[in-house]
Amino acid sequence: EDQVTQSPEALRLQEGESSSLNCSYTVSGLRGLFWYRQDPGKGPEFLFTLYSAGEEKEKERLKATLTKKESFLHITAPKPEDSATYLCAVQARGKGSQGNLIFGKGTKLSVKP
Amino acid sequence: GAVVSQHPSRVICKSGTSVKIECRSLDFQATTMFWYRQFPKQSLMLMATSNEGSKATYEQGVEKDKFLINHASLTLSTLTVTSAHPEDSSFYICSLFSSGNTDTQYFGPGTRLTVL
Repeated sequence: EDQVTQSPEALRLQEGESSSLNCSYTVSGLRGLFWYRQDPGKGPEFLFTLYSAGEEKEKERLKATLTKKESFLHITAPKPEDSATYLCAVQARGKGSQGNLIFGKGTKLSVKP
Repeated sequence: GAVVSQHPSRVICKSGTSVKIECRSLDFQATTMFWYRQFPKQSLMLMATSNEGSKATYEQGVEKDKFLINHASLTLSTLTVTSAHPEDSSFYICSLFSSGNTDTQYFGPGTRLTVL
């Protein structure tokens, strides 16, 4: 069964304290792995799509990496405005429609000034 | 800027009534749109795929007669929760998929439904 597990569930950091969020996945064939940011009461905001092991993408203080079993979202010198829930999702190759993303439960990040 | 809009953002209704949620694609024509549901502290779960001009495809366990989907144009999909009950209270989010240099799924801002 295709599955996505994110850890930790919650993470508290001091401003400037770098860390990483983990997304472990099992999927029959990976078409793509997606990272989103979700603020309370809002829809997910797209961050990255990764396709193959070894791929990396960066955006401001965020960098996403991918292996055959997991993805990491590295946050460098975070600021309070980075506080949000970060969601990981996978899309399996050949499984139904393009929209069938399997989401993890997310990591709630809090960055204190 | 926003790619997907939803209306209303919040709705409170009495048990037994029906509620319609609109999802609009702002930047491009979408032959396919998606409806997700998110319960507190849970994952987003795909409910159904909305296809312009044809019937929606529902995920296993989602009642098609309870969650009516209409995709009448390339920019509008609607989800109607019929005879809503308190257990239908949730955060409903629509999305659309864009494939180009990078596959991206854009989500709307969501609709918070509370059934009393």
